[in-house]
Amino acid sequence: DGGITQSPKYLFRKEGQNVTLSCEQNLNHDAMYWYRQDPGQGLRLIYYSQIVNDFQKGDIAEGYSVSREKKESFPLTVTSAQKNPTAFYLCASSTAGGPRTGELFFGEGSRLTVL
Amino acid sequence: EDKVVQSPLSLVVHEGDTVTLNCSYEVTNFRSLLWYKQEKKAPTFLFMLTSSGIEKKSGRLSSILDKKELFSILNITATQTGDSAVYLCAVEEGTNAGKSTFGDGTTLTVKP
Repeated sequence: DGGITQSPKYLFRKEGQNVTLSCEQNLNHDAMYWYRQDPGQGLRLIYYSQIVNDFQKGDIAEGYSVSREKKESFPLTVTSAQKNPTAFYLCASSTAGGPRTGELFFGEGSRLTVL
Repeated sequence: EDKVVQSPLSLVVHEGDTVTLNCSYEVTNFRSLLWYKQEKKAPTFLFMLTSSGIEKKSGRLSSILDKKELFSILNITATQTGDSAVYLCAVEEGTNAGKSTFGDGTTLTVKP
């Protein structure tokens, strides 16, 4: 079945540690996105990539980094510079051209807790 | 800065009731408006709206867009407990296709 796989589902880290969240898709989508969701709030865009080897900052990129070396993969690193990293992280993908670019397909999410 | 505002923030109804969820937006360059349902973790796509006045319908759910008033509604008729979820509204930018701004969501609880 085609879809998006995020791992790990739950992650705990100590302050000052970097952590990398994995996102893999087999939908053959060109575009991939990382969103952050805090309790009672909507999704805020961290980074997005519309093509391999290229990515752009979203609205809340500070303290995060990404890479896009393969079409299928878009890992997110939460660095120690992120002041409030405890959150639910969602990865999504979409087609990069045509009329349905806005239709996002989401993974199941990764819940990060900083101790 | 693009902005999407949903109302109400939460809603409690009984099975069989009809509900209307609201979404207003301010964006520099509009491409589409989307509705998603988030039950536990992954939001799932409901509707994409690009033209004013054309109702999209799927079973008991329907949605319509008003591009003049910058507003959309999502209607759910004959609600069921399985409709309990967070409903998210998002607006896709015209200049960066795929890049969307989300509202804070409406939490719908349907009681038996």
